Amino acid sequence: KAGVTQTPRYLIKTRGQQVTLSCSPISGHRSVSWYQQTPGQGLQFLFEYFSETQRNKGNFPGRFSGRQFSNSRSEMNVSTLELGDSALYLCASQLRTEITYEQYFGPGTRLTVT
Amino acid sequence: GENVEQHPSTLSVQEGDSAVIKCTYSDSASNYFPWYKQELGKRPQLIIDIRSNVGEKKDQRIAVTLNKTAKHFSLHITETQPEDSAVYFCAASKTGGGADGLTFGKGTHLIIQP
Repeated sequence: KAGVTQTPRYLIKTRGQQVTLSCSPISGHRSVSWYQQTPGQGLQFLFEYFSETQRNKGNFPGRFSGRQFSNSRSEMNVSTLELGDSALYLCASQLRTEITYEQYFGPGTRLTVT
Repeated sequence: GENVEQHPSTLSVQEGDSAVIKCTYSDSASNYFPWYKQELGKRPQLIIDIRSNVGEKKDQRIAVTLNKTAKHFSLHITETQPEDSAVYFCAASKTGGGADGLTFGKGTHLIIQP
């Protein structure tokens, strides 16, 4: 099976712009979670989607949003970019059953805001 | 919400020696504790996990122990090798890493000295 894929791998944006990142989970996986990784704050949970529904959201402002499509692919959007949004954005794919808990990460999108 | 503390932040050991990384969590409802290894420039990779109904789990040179009473869990790596050098993250979740996401520790940079 192909692993989790994310596009684009690198992005440079200007403060005030918006950006959309994409994640394709492992085939058959219906849950996609998004995380932000920075040197200062580490890995932080953004939100999780399962069957096109956002189940929960971490402690991030409303500028961070996402969605999931019927084929389980997910996108996240960040509007009005700030310098502090520069980070590695990782998505994680999960089969999401009562007995399988493992989350598998994609390679990430490195976002630089200038 | 959940809070995960991880120690030490940096660990340097001689090749062939053992390494131990410790984590504590705050939410007694957490029931799933994975460990991820992240090499420089790469995605976090799940290396082992444990659930709250198990006290110890082993996979070749890697083992994880869980003490629910004390709310702490540890990663043990024996016979360390140069390829073990990486940043290791512990995490905790109440719903198996599903809707509430994984709460990560700040990471331990493991350095294997030749």
